[in-house]
Amino acid sequence: SQQGEEDPQALSIQEGENATMNCSYKTSINNLQWYRQNSGRGLVHLILIRSNEREKHSGRLRVTLDTSKKSSSLLITASRAADTASYFCATELSGNEKLTFGTGTRLTIIP
Amino acid sequence: DTAVSQTPKYLVTQMGNDKSIKCEQNLGHDTMYWYKQDSKKFLKIMFSYNNKELIINETVPNRFSPKSPDKAHLNLHINSLELGDSAVYFCASSTIYGYTFGSGTRLTVV
Repeated sequence: SQQGEEDPQALSIQEGENATMNCSYKTSINNLQWYRQNSGRGLVHLILIRSNEREKHSGRLRVTLDTSKKSSSLLITASRAADTASYFCATELSGNEKLTFGTGTRLTIIP
Repeated sequence: DTAVSQTPKYLVTQMGNDKSIKCEQNLGHDTMYWYKQDSKKFLKIMFSYNNKELIINETVPNRFSPKSPDKAHLNLHINSLELGDSAVYFCASSTIYGYTFGSGTRLTVV
């Protein structure tokens, strides 16, 4: 079964706006990771946030993690057309070396 | 280029055939994986290997047999292909900092 559920399933915004995607998971984790997948392509690692971290930044990306609520969010600021892709959260459980993926959010940036 | 490379990119084959997908990484990672992405984009782990040893086998039918001749290679052989095997298969390798995925093999069984 999927560990993570992502919300929304699909999101369309105007270029320049901020995009926020949420991910909820069910069990204790070692870390949570966000990936981007362009149509017909492989997954690209964006950010890894560990269970003892609350926020991380990378360029226009900001990830938060709330372990008490078992949730994470990915914020993309000043969106660009090239950000159009599917975004997946994935969790790595404590002592378990595998990624369990969420259902994904399909983000469309309208030029 | 440092990467995870998998071949072929596309594979169309008839039911009942046997096929293989190859994966190589030159990143020096110890752990490699096979993931399956179905038509609804759900990604699920199939196998993981650490230094040529099988670590995870997620209730995959035994028609699927991974082989790791060395820690840089993890190949996937599929016997007696079925229509339901149609999917995109991703190879990946990892460190504690994250995973690197190959570009995928789109398998279509007709």
